[in-house]
Amino acid sequence: GAVVSQHPSWVICKSGTSVKIECRSLDFQATTMFWYRQFPKQSLMLMATSNEGSKATYEQGVEKDKFLINHASLTLSTLTVTSAHPEDSSFYICSARATRTDTQYFGPGTRLTVL
Amino acid sequence: DAKTTQPPSMDCAEGRAANLPCNHSTISGNEYVYWYRQIHSQGPQYIIHGLKNNETNEMASLIITEDRKSSTLILPHATLRDTAVYYCIVNGNQFYFGTGTSLTVIP
Repeated sequence: GAVVSQHPSWVICKSGTSVKIECRSLDFQATTMFWYRQFPKQSLMLMATSNEGSKATYEQGVEKDKFLINHASLTLSTLTVTSAHPEDSSFYICSARATRTDTQYFGPGTRLTVL
Repeated sequence: DAKTTQPPSMDCAEGRAANLPCNHSTISGNEYVYWYRQIHSQGPQYIIHGLKNNETNEMASLIITEDRKSSTLILPHATLRDTAVYYCIVNGNQFYFGTGTSLTVIP
């Protein structure tokens, strides 16, 4: 089956620092990748849509200067949380849409804790 | 916004079939119905999807009504490992998750 990996699986950082999360499609190409955020006991919330080689499209209310997204290849997208604060602590999940089938496959998630 | 509504929770006895309903009355003609599940603290797992015909794979069956306004995911023989939150999503270009159904399989 299609596998999506995320790295790191968890990270703890100090307030004011930046954190980069990688999302890779391991055995398929993905022209489009997505980034979600999930708070405890809540559903996934779409943050942004990222297309390979172009700028990401952010959902309303998501600050593009705070959540930098780069999708430089058909198998890699990165999310950088800049100047992280405790309220950014959350579970960040990426997905990759397989070019051949249009199905989205999700990564295992990254738990971010900002102290 | 999510275009689907699902019951918040359901129980199912182990070994029995679990039938999870989903309403998507505003679905467009070219939109697929996708089902995913999320086990605690993990990323969602793809289960099945369909457009208008019923679908079956090794995990589940998907029954879509003729008017496409609702669907049912069927897990034929539920096990304890099927305990999860199940999400029904109508696919536009992006996925907007609703609150899903928390399925608990009871021994």
